[in-house]
Amino acid sequence: GENVEQHPSTLSVQEGDSAVIKCTYSDSASNYFPWYKQELGKRPQLIIDIRSNVGEKKDQRIAVTLNKTAKHFSLHITETQPEDSAVYFCAASENTNAGKSTFGDGTTLTVKP
Amino acid sequence: EAQVTQNPRYLITVTGKKLTVTCSQNMNHEYMSWYRQDPGLGLRQIYYSMNVEVTDKGDVPEGYKVSRKEKRNFPLILESPSPNQTSLYFCASSLTNRGGQETQYFGPGTRLLVL
Repeated sequence: GENVEQHPSTLSVQEGDSAVIKCTYSDSASNYFPWYKQELGKRPQLIIDIRSNVGEKKDQRIAVTLNKTAKHFSLHITETQPEDSAVYFCAASENTNAGKSTFGDGTTLTVKP
Repeated sequence: EAQVTQNPRYLITVTGKKLTVTCSQNMNHEYMSWYRQDPGLGLRQIYYSMNVEVTDKGDVPEGYKVSRKEKRNFPLILESPSPNQTSLYFCASSLTNRGGQETQYFGPGTRLLVL
């Protein structure tokens, strides 16, 4: 089955700096890669996603890049703000077994004012 | 308001006492899924359903059952709970696009303690 590894497990940055979180996956059939943000005591919420037919996607301060050959994808947050502090999860799923979702173990991002 | 609801939100029970956690969505989503979240382990998929009467195992299905008799509901059943099932449980739903996944919308979570 799919295995998703996420790094780092914790990340602390100064307000205004950039933050990068990386995930690798094992199943070359995976083709959908969402990123979720979970604030303390709340439910995960999608912040951005990418499919295997594109290499990069951007939404304001957030971007995701995908390298299918190397089987890794990354979340980039620019101009970080204290409200970006949360746990971020990556996930992978594949079209032929669309129901299965495998999540990374999460990255706790702290943005210091 | 489009939403996924779960009940109960908090539950303390004892080993062996059957329980059901309900999940309901009002978005007409085909896909629904259950996850458990434990510290340091992220979200692990328990069961999922691609549509009514279609369910399948995720990565950690042992000790759980599900049913999907109607599109909006996807209950999680613990026939004989054990302490290692103490966890935070999330239900999620999404549309499916030609068999591929779309954005998952998560419920508020159910915190379960099994004594």
